[in-house]
Amino acid sequence: EAQVTQNPRYLITVTGKKLTVTCSQNMNHEYMSWYRQDPGLGLRQIYYSMNVEVTDKGDVPEGYKVSRKEKRNFPLILESPSPNQTSLYFCASSLKPLGQGFGYGYTFGSGTRLTVV
Amino acid sequence: GESVGLHLPTLSVQEGDNSIINCAYSNSASDYFIWYKQESGKGPQFIIDIRSNMDKRQGQRVTVLLNKTVKHLSLQIAATQPGDSAVYFCAENGLSSYDKVIFGPGTSLSVIP
Repeated sequence: EAQVTQNPRYLITVTGKKLTVTCSQNMNHEYMSWYRQDPGLGLRQIYYSMNVEVTDKGDVPEGYKVSRKEKRNFPLILESPSPNQTSLYFCASSLKPLGQGFGYGYTFGSGTRLTVV
Repeated sequence: GESVGLHLPTLSVQEGDNSIINCAYSNSASDYFIWYKQESGKGPQFIIDIRSNMDKRQGQRVTVLLNKTVKHLSLQIAATQPGDSAVYFCAENGLSSYDKVIFGPGTSLSVIP
């Protein structure tokens, strides 16, 4: 089944303890992205990647890191989590750049609910 | 600045009726628009997309209308079903940064059986 898989689904951690949220897609997509979703703010892009070793900042990159060493994986790293990073996180992937043809909107994972205390 | 917003945060519709979800955007340079559906506990799911050189595009039971003059986007769902209950997001994408997508805050659609 074609999908984007995120782990873990739920995570509670303490301030300052480094964590990684993994993301993997099995569709051979080149484009991947991380979003956070907060009430009243919708989905905001954290980082995106256009290919292996090619990443760029989205709207809210502060406090996050990403890497793209393999095409299928795009982990999100929080080096020193803080309570304001408590959120619902989504990884997404796309075959082509958005807008190049129809039907190539992102495929999203099921989300990771992170709580930082 | 850039923004994508919604006129109505919640919408209740009788089963079988048509639903119309509206969206306003402020970036006239946006070239590509997408509607997503998000059910409770799940990630957003692609519904339909449209490019700026189009006024209308139809899918299965859904139609997206784009009015660039007033920077307005709408999603029409025909014969709304209980399974359509979800939060709907519009999103825009600009030519200059093809992978940068801006999402609106969402509209919650409730279908009354």
